[in-house]
Amino acid sequence: GENVEQHPSTLSVQEGDSAVIKCTYSDSASNYFPWYKQELGKRPQLIIDIRSNVGEKKDQRIAVTLNKTAKHFSLHITETQPEDSAVYFCAASWEGDDKIIFGKGTRLHILP
Amino acid sequence: KAGVTQTPRYLIKTRGQQVTLSCSPISGHRSVSWYQQTPGQGLQFLFEYFSETQRNKGNFPGRFSGRQFSNSRSEMNVSTLELGDSALYLCASSYGTSGVGEQFFGPGTRLTVL
Repeated sequence: GENVEQHPSTLSVQEGDSAVIKCTYSDSASNYFPWYKQELGKRPQLIIDIRSNVGEKKDQRIAVTLNKTAKHFSLHITETQPEDSAVYFCAASWEGDDKIIFGKGTRLHILP
Repeated sequence: KAGVTQTPRYLIKTRGQQVTLSCSPISGHRSVSWYQQTPGQGLQFLFEYFSETQRNKGNFPGRFSGRQFSNSRSEMNVSTLELGDSALYLCASSYGTSGVGEQFFGPGTRLTVL
């Protein structure tokens, strides 16, 4: 079945440094890859997404890269700030289908 | 627009009982998906409804079921509750047409099974 692996499960970085979270997916038909951020006690919220016809997408300090051949995609956060502390989920889905398979999440700690 | 709402927010049940959770999507959204969130397991897909039809289903036992009404509101039901069913149940809504798009999550219902 469909599967999304996410690493690491926990990540601590110094404030101002960069953070990278990596995911791999199993279904080669997947073509939509969203990333969600969930702060403590709050609901997940979309922070960035990428479709398979694009290799990279940026939004201010956040970027996502996609390697379809290797079936992996990554989230990059630069110049990390305390408010970036949260759990981040990657996910994979495919066009015409609202079934989204999530990774198990990465708890990101920004150290002062 | 009002966001996705879920009721109740908290529930305590005992083993063997059944429970019904409700989700009201954003106005205009026709797709509602349900997820189970537990520590260490992330967000596990339960099922997705679109226009009153179950369009997708995850790998959960038949004790977990759902339905969607003509106004797109959705309910999920868990029968014969087990201790392992304790979790945060999240629903998410989206337009559900023209390809995959952003899902908007509700605040969740925290279910505790004693």
